[in-house]
Amino acid sequence: EPEVTQTPSHQVTQMGQEVILRCVPISNHLYFYWYRQILGQKVEFLVSFYNNEISEKSEIFDDQFSVERPDGSNFTLKIRSTKLEDSAMYFCASSEAAASASYEQYFGPGTRLTVT
Amino acid sequence: AQSVTQLDSHVSVSEGTPVLLRCNYSSSYSPSLFWYVQHPNKGLQLLLKYTSAATLVKGINGFEAEFKKSETSFHLTKPSAHMSDAAEYFCVVSDANRDDKIIFGKGTRLHILP
Repeated sequence: EPEVTQTPSHQVTQMGQEVILRCVPISNHLYFYWYRQILGQKVEFLVSFYNNEISEKSEIFDDQFSVERPDGSNFTLKIRSTKLEDSAMYFCASSEAAASASYEQYFGPGTRLTVT
Repeated sequence: AQSVTQLDSHVSVSEGTPVLLRCNYSSSYSPSLFWYVQHPNKGLQLLLKYTSAATLVKGINGFEAEFKKSETSFHLTKPSAHMSDAAEYFCVVSDANRDDKIIFGKGTRLHILP
């Protein structure tokens, strides 16, 4: 069964450094998403991406965040200057079409980001 | 605005007994509702979804949920708990009019007692 993959599984970085989290969505999917889950808290929506542009973003997704689909398979989340509070599990998801109706989102296993 | 409330942060049941995980939602439009499960160190897996068809939805691993519009609820149930059901469960809502955004509840951690 096709699945969403994410690399790395765990990333440790120093405050102020840039990180890029990588995701390979399911190949025929058209919508892509990033979520984060701070330890002990709920999963929070960050951004959705469709047709090579951001379709929606949350208030969390400020100027230090960016997303890109550099080729036909990868979907990346870049954090330009990491802060301690960026430490979280980051989940990538993809869906065949929009999240309403029959099109559920398929989630990757997550990347645990630790900012020291 | 849409929101979802999971009433219990932790639920403990004995193996072989019924499971009930509660979820209430708020939505301006016709919602789609989902339950996801997260096992330790694993990603989120879809258990089941409601998309305005049958109000009683059957999912994987023997779970089911009933959409009750009058109570704005979508509680998750299973007749008989198994040790492998121990995990975190998330109730999720998406508005039919907002195609690309889903909102997670805070999660309920299910503990199975031997």
